[in-house]
Amino acid sequence: AQKITQTQPGMFVQEKEAVTLDCTYDTSDPSYGLFWYKQPSSGEMIFLIYQGSYDQQNATEGRYSLNFQKARKSANLVISASQLGDSAMYFCAMNRDDKIIFGKGTRLHILP
Amino acid sequence: DAGITQSPRHKVTETGTPVTLRCHQTENHRYMYWYRQDPGHGLRLIHYSYGVKDTDKGEVSDGYSVSRSKTEDFLLTLESATSSQTSVYFCAIRSQGEGTLLFGPGTRLTVL
Repeated sequence: AQKITQTQPGMFVQEKEAVTLDCTYDTSDPSYGLFWYKQPSSGEMIFLIYQGSYDQQNATEGRYSLNFQKARKSANLVISASQLGDSAMYFCAMNRDDKIIFGKGTRLHILP
Repeated sequence: DAGITQSPRHKVTETGTPVTLRCHQTENHRYMYWYRQDPGHGLRLIHYSYGVKDTDKGEVSDGYSVSRSKTEDFLLTLESATSSQTSVYFCAIRSQGEGTLLFGPGTRLTVL
């Protein structure tokens, strides 16, 4: 069965520092996709970034990048130059065929 | 017009009563999903649909049923609500290509 693990329940980071949120996954399927979502305190779910299992390069979207290490089955989210508005819950997710499953999330606190 | 809406947004009900949550999309996407979000558990997949009248179970489907009689609507029914079903319920639609999920605003359900 496929599984997503986020080992950091909470993190505190100083504003302007870079942040790495960990995500490991487990699947035996060679074809899959990996996603990161942000959930601010207002509750909406916001898509951040996507990485396909066959993509050769790490995905980047503005200040977000995905550090994809296929052999280690990890898909860490890197946020450069963190901002106060980055304080939120962050979820890693994986799709295989029709199902999309999520990790338990990491709550990120950015300190001024 | 939002691409995906949920109704009701809040509901309080009593144990043993039936409850139906509605998800409506205007994007004409084939795939629709129901998740529940609980502290410490992240988002867990309840059921999903891959077309009209085509549905399948997710990770936590016991106590829930779904129906999809037309592309734009995906209904989640709790036949006899229990206190353990108190949660925030999110509906999502899946885009073509990468398969990114677009989430609805969520429904907060309290079962007393």
